[in-house]
Amino acid sequence: EVQLVESGGGLVKPGGSLRVSCAASGFTFSSYPMNWVRQAPGKGLEWVASISPRSSYIYYADSVKGRFTISRDNAKNSLYLQMNSLRAEDTAVYYCARDPGKGGYNYYYGDYWGQGTLVPVSS
Amino acid sequence: NFMLTQPHSVSGSPGKTVTISCTRSSGSIASNYVQWYQQRPGSSPTSVIYEDNQRPSGVPDRFSGSIDSSSNSASLTISGLKTDDEADYYCQSYDSNNWVFGGGTKLTVL
Repeated sequence: EVQLVESGGGLVKPGGSLRVSCAASGFTFSSYPMNWVRQAPGKGLEWVASISPRSSYIYYADSVKGRFTISRDNAKNSLYLQMNSLRAEDTAVYYCARDPGKGGYNYYYGDYWGQGTLVPVSS
Repeated sequence: NFMLTQPHSVSGSPGKTVTISCTRSSGSIASNYVQWYQQRPGSSPTSVIYEDNQRPSGVPDRFSGSIDSSSNSASLTISGLKTDDEADYYCQSYDSNNWVFGGGTKLTVL
C-alpha cells in the first residue's frame, strides 16, 4: 500500500525557516517524481515544487522561487521542503504528492497524496 | 501561464446528475491532460479522474470526465449523486512543468 506521511510542520515566525519531510513507503520511491502542494486555510490548492527521481530536474512555483528548496533522499525514501524567509502568506497545509510518471518522465499530476502538515507563519 | 476557472459551487439531489466545468483561459484545453480531485472536509485530495477521462481503480463509474474544445473546457460529471459525494472538487492541468489548479467547486448534495 502506498503511503506518504508528512511531518515537521509547526508555528514559525515571519522571516524564519522550517523543513518539512515526507516519508514514503509501499512503492519504489526512487522511480517516481515527487511534488509539494499547499493549501492555505479555507483556500484552494497551489502547486509548490517538483523533483525528478534522481533530482536532475527541479521546478518551483514563482511564489516560492528563491526561498524554498525541494530535495529528496532516495536511500531514506524521503522528500523534503526547506522553507526560508517565510511569510504570513506561506501559512498552509503542505502535502506531498507522488507523480505516477516512470522512466524519468513527469505525468504532471498526483496519484497519491499524504495527509499534510500544517505550517502557520505568525508572530 | 493559463488559468482554470471553476464555478464556486454546485448542488444536486441524491440520485441526480451534476456537472462541474473547468474553463481554460488561454491555449487549448486539449493541449495538456486534465485531472480532477475530490477533497472531503478535513481530508487530503484524492484523484477521481486523470488524463481527461480515466478513472483510478476504486473510483465508481458514476464519475466521468470529458473535454470540449468548442468551449475550451473540461467537465466532471457525477451521476447517481450520493450524500458521500459532498466535497470540494478541483480540476488541474499543467504548463511548462508547473501544475495549474482551478479554484475549486463546492458540491452540495441536498
